[in-house]
Amino acid sequence: KNEVEQSPQNLTAQEGEFITINCSYSVGISALHWLQQHPGGGIVSLFMLSSGKKKHGRLIATINIQEKHSSLHITASHPRDSAVYICAVGGVGGGADGLTFGKGTHLIIQP
Amino acid sequence: GAGVSQSPRYKVAKRGQDVALRCDPISGHVSLFWYQQALGQGPEFLTYFQNEAQLDKSGLPSDRFFAERPEGSVSTLKIQRTQQEDSAVYLCASRLGRGGRTYEQYFGPGTRLTVT
Repeated sequence: KNEVEQSPQNLTAQEGEFITINCSYSVGISALHWLQQHPGGGIVSLFMLSSGKKKHGRLIATINIQEKHSSLHITASHPRDSAVYICAVGGVGGGADGLTFGKGTHLIIQP
Repeated sequence: GAGVSQSPRYKVAKRGQDVALRCDPISGHVSLFWYQQALGQGPEFLTYFQNEAQLDKSGLPSDRFFAERPEGSVSTLKIQRTQQEDSAVYLCASRLGRGGRTYEQYFGPGTRLTVT
C-alpha cells in the first residue's frame, strides 16, 4: 500500500505570503492529485499531475517522479484560500485506481 | 451536466439502525468510488465500481457495509446495524473512464453520518 505523507499538518500565514505544501509517497504512481476541502466536506480537484508542473491562477503544482515528491504553491495568498489541502495518489497499472490520500494540510490565511 | 451529487447531506442514526447513502455520478461516467473520511483524517478507499460491476471492495471495513450500482449509474452505500465508529463523511467520486489517461476523479459533497 502506498504511504502518503504531507507537511506541514497545519499552517497559518498572513495574507499575501507565498505558501508551500509538500507531499511525499512511497510507491510509484500513475498520477498525483491535489484536492481542496472546505468546511462541510466538499472536495474540489485542483490538479492532477503525472509529471512536471501545472499552473492555474495563483496555484502551482510540481511533481518529481524520481524523488516521489510533489509540492503545491499558492502565490499572493488570500483568506479565501483557507481550507484543507489534500494530496492523493493513484496506483500504477491503470485499473481501479482508487486513490490513497494524505491526511491533509489545514491552511489558515489571516487578513 | 451537473456534478456528482449525494444524498442525504447529513444523516443522524441511532446505533443499530440501518442507513442508505445515495450517490448520483456525472452522467456517462464509467467509474464510481466510495471513500470514508473520519474526522481530522484523509479519505480512505472503500469500494470501486466499473459500470454495474463492483471490481474492488477491499476497503469495506466489515460485512455490515454493502454497496451496489445495479444499472451502472446511481450507487447506494448501505450500512447495517450502525456503530459509533461508522460516524464519518462518506464521499462518492466518479471518473469518465476505467483508467489509463482518464484519471481525474470528480467528488460529490459527501454525506456526514453521525451515529448516536
